[in-house]
Amino acid sequence: DQQVKQNSPSLSVQEGRISILNCDYTNSMFDYFLWYKKYPAEGPTFLISISSIKDKNEDGRFTVFLNKSAKHLSLHIVPSQPGDSAVYFCAASARNSGGSNYKLTFGKGTLLTVNP
Amino acid sequence: ETGVTQTPRHLVMGMTNKKSLKCEQHLGHNAMYWYKQSAKKPLELMFVYNFKEQTENNSVPSRFSPECPNSSHLFLHLHTLQPEDSALYLCASSQDWRGPRLETQYFGPGTRLLVL
Repeated sequence: DQQVKQNSPSLSVQEGRISILNCDYTNSMFDYFLWYKKYPAEGPTFLISISSIKDKNEDGRFTVFLNKSAKHLSLHIVPSQPGDSAVYFCAASARNSGGSNYKLTFGKGTLLTVNP
Repeated sequence: ETGVTQTPRHLVMGMTNKKSLKCEQHLGHNAMYWYKQSAKKPLELMFVYNFKEQTENNSVPSRFSPECPNSSHLFLHLHTLQPEDSALYLCASSQDWRGPRLETQYFGPGTRLLVL
C-alpha cells in the first residue's frame, strides 16, 4: 500500500519554462512534506519542505503547494534550468507507530529532464 | 571529509557471503538511518539510530544486522542475502530525530549492492 504516490515517472520541459511535479498521499496523519532531489551516483539532497498548517512555501525558483483536502502537493520550478535535471522525490512525515520518532515515507520519484 | 560517506560504493556478493556496509557522518549529528531503494520502488526506511540506540526497525529481515558503535558511524552487516536484496542502500544522518522537521536529513551517496 503506497502512501505517497508520484504518478508521473518522468517529465520533460524546455529551459525557461515551468516544471510542475506532483505528489499525492493517502495518510491523513502526515504533517510535514518534503521534496528531495537526486542526481545519478549521489544521495538525495533536501530541496524544500512545507508544514501541514501552510499551503505554500517558496524558496527562490522553487515553490511547494499543499492542498490538504485533496491530499495533494506539487513542486513548481520557475524558470527551469538544465541543471535541474534530476530525480525528484516527494516525502511525507508522521510519527511512527510507537510514537518515539518521526518517519519519512517516500514516493518513487519523478525524473525531470530540462532541455536547453 | 565532509558530509556523509559510504563504503564501498559498489558491492557484489554471493548468497553465502558475509559483508558489511559502512557509513560515516562528519556533521556532528545524533541520528543515523539506513534506507533501501530497490528498482522502481520508493526509498524504504530500514533502521533508525538515535544517540547510538536503535529506535526503529522497519520489519527488516534478520539477515540485515545494523550496528552503531558511536554517533558518527553506522554499519549494516549482511549475511546470507537473497538476490531480491539487490538494491541501493543509502545512509542518512540528522541533527535530531524527535521533530517533524526532517529536512535536515543528509544522505550519503549509497552502496549499490548486487547479490548473485
